[in-house]
Amino acid sequence: NAGVTQTPKFRVLKTGQSMTLLCAQDMNHEYMYWYRQDPGMGLRLIHYSVGEGTTAKGEVPDGYNVSRLKKQNFLLGLESAAPSQTSVYFCASRGTDTGELFFGEGSRLTVL
Amino acid sequence: GQNIDQPTEMTATEGAIVQINCTYQTSGFNGLFWYQQHAGEAPTFLSYNVLDGLEEKGRFSSFLSRSKGYSYLLLKELQMKDSASYLCAVMDSNYQLIWGAGTKLIIKP
Repeated sequence: NAGVTQTPKFRVLKTGQSMTLLCAQDMNHEYMYWYRQDPGMGLRLIHYSVGEGTTAKGEVPDGYNVSRLKKQNFLLGLESAAPSQTSVYFCASRGTDTGELFFGEGSRLTVL
Repeated sequence: GQNIDQPTEMTATEGAIVQINCTYQTSGFNGLFWYQQHAGEAPTFLSYNVLDGLEEKGRFSSFLSRSKGYSYLLLKELQMKDSASYLCAVMDSNYQLIWGAGTKLIIKP
């Protein structure tokens, strides 16, 4: 029972490089989210999806893109990484009948 | 704007009781959540309150007063493993979660 799985768990990028974070959930959840967590701040929502083929902007979407081509997967892309995007990224999912979020283990990204 | 306030850090003694407060101002209310997050790990669900009152779950209890925009998480019989950050989050009228910055709880022997 994997729950929510994120890959990769660690990554170091140079400024201007691109990368994609993959989130996969096996709970048949409709809703999926990408958050970033920085010291001293709450979880901030980057983008979210309410179902396959749909995406929406959250609180801090600039510099990121997402895709939800399959219900179980939610991809977060950085087209041109910047040092300000150094953070821990969490993916989460939930079903339609509950507000409880299930989180992945997190992906620690460093942009030099 | 929307705002969740909780203390940055608290210290308590093993075996004691601690209360972590959370106040909120949000556009709409569809429930309040408490999550626990150990250092370097993902948040895990602790409790959910949508009606006023106290919800008890083992050593942990959560209280809500919607009229006051206030909640607290009560931890009893503290154990060293309770050292973690505790995150308060409110689901707003758009069913989005608004998160507080978290309270780091330090347990001393």
